[in-house]
Amino acid sequence: KNQVEQSPQSLIILEGKNCTLQCNYTVSPFSNLRWYKQDTGRGPVSLTIMTFSENTKSNGRYTATLDADTKQSSLHITASQLSDSASYICVVSASGGSYIPTFGRGTSLIVHP
Amino acid sequence: EPEVTQTPSHQVTQMGQEVILRCVPISNHLYFYWYRQILGQKVEFLVSFYNNEISEKSEIFDDQFSVERPDGSNFTLKIRSTKLEDSAMYFCASSPNKRGLSSYNEQFFGPGTRLTVL
Repeated sequence: KNQVEQSPQSLIILEGKNCTLQCNYTVSPFSNLRWYKQDTGRGPVSLTIMTFSENTKSNGRYTATLDADTKQSSLHITASQLSDSASYICVVSASGGSYIPTFGRGTSLIVHP
Repeated sequence: EPEVTQTPSHQVTQMGQEVILRCVPISNHLYFYWYRQILGQKVEFLVSFYNNEISEKSEIFDDQFSVERPDGSNFTLKIRSTKLEDSAMYFCASSPNKRGLSSYNEQFFGPGTRLTVL
């Protein structure tokens, strides 16, 4: 069964600090991995999309990495801002027939001033 | 900046009633999706739609659910006979090219409709 596990479940950091969120998946065969930011009560917003051949992808202060061998991804947030407070969701899609995405539960990030 | 819109923002209905959730995807987008998120749980894929037909659907999307693109702008999700467990936030999304979920194809989500079944 395809699964996506994220850690930590929640994280509290001070404004200006960096943090790294983790995603482990068992989705196979792998097609792509996406990171989304979801503000409370809002729809997810795409941060990065990576396919098998990509190891890293940046979007401003967000940098995602992918290790397809170990089936792990991370999202690194640099110089956090109060507006980074949100849930960060890892989503993995399989290939070869069904591309239905599997969502992680998300990491809830709170940035304090 | 174009965005996906959804109406209503909150729908309250009685168990057994039919509901229609409406979405206006971004103009010129080709692929459309519905997702749901039960309170406190993860987002779940329901269905994808391309070229006026269902492309993929999950196990959740049973005979109680249907989707339609009745005109050139709206994309609707109908639940025929709502159950208590249908209470959730329903998100519509659209993406610009015909590759759907299979590869690079950024999805743009709407703000969601909160469905409460009493």
